Amino acid sequence: DAGVTQSPTHLIKTRGQHVTLRCSPISGHKSVSWYQQVLGQGPQFIFQYYEKEERGRGNFPDRFSARQFPNYSSELNVNALLLGDSALYLCASSGMARDSANEQFFGPGTRLTVL
Amino acid sequence: AQSVTQPDIHITVSEGASLELRCNYSYGATPYLFWYVQSPGQGLQLLLKYFSGDTLVQGIKGFEAEFKRSQSSFNLRKPSVHWSDAAEYFCAVGNTNAGKSTFGDGTTLTVKP
Repeated sequence: DAGVTQSPTHLIKTRGQHVTLRCSPISGHKSVSWYQQVLGQGPQFIFQYYEKEERGRGNFPDRFSARQFPNYSSELNVNALLLGDSALYLCASSGMARDSANEQFFGPGTRLTVL
Repeated sequence: AQSVTQPDIHITVSEGASLELRCNYSYGATPYLFWYVQSPGQGLQLLLKYFSGDTLVQGIKGFEAEFKRSQSSFNLRKPSVHWSDAAEYFCAVGNTNAGKSTFGDGTTLTVKP
């Protein structure tokens, strides 16, 4: 079974540009979460989507946006890139079962470098 | 607000020695606790999780963790460390919706031969 996949693996952009990161969840998972991991820190929650609706948003500026498609894949968009946006962006999927707590499964991440 | 503190930024142990990584959390309700491992340039792999029940939980790769509500702690242990255990370890707290977890800043484990 394929795990969570993310593309691209690496990306280099310059300040002010826009970037789109993509994520495909594990088959059957309807929830996708996005995290930003700056070097030397733990992942920080950005967004969660479930059934194409936003279910949560972390403390990130409006330059960050996301969406989920009917096949449950997701895109994270970042506008007007800043140097501080350089990070590993992780996508995670989970099943969101009703009768039990859920664990999330992480993809390998997209390494974004902003110059 | 929920938070996680991992007091040890970097730990070095000899191969074959025991290991304990500390994790303290702050959470307003019954916490759901997780330990993840991250190898360089990789995503996160779940080692173990605690939702309820027995406070000593077993995970993969020989790891275990103990939930202590009175101390707000969820420390990770392994009786005998292998060189392949060298990695970054993250503790996380959440609720039934694991997709909104809060992570600590991690502990880097170095294993000496």
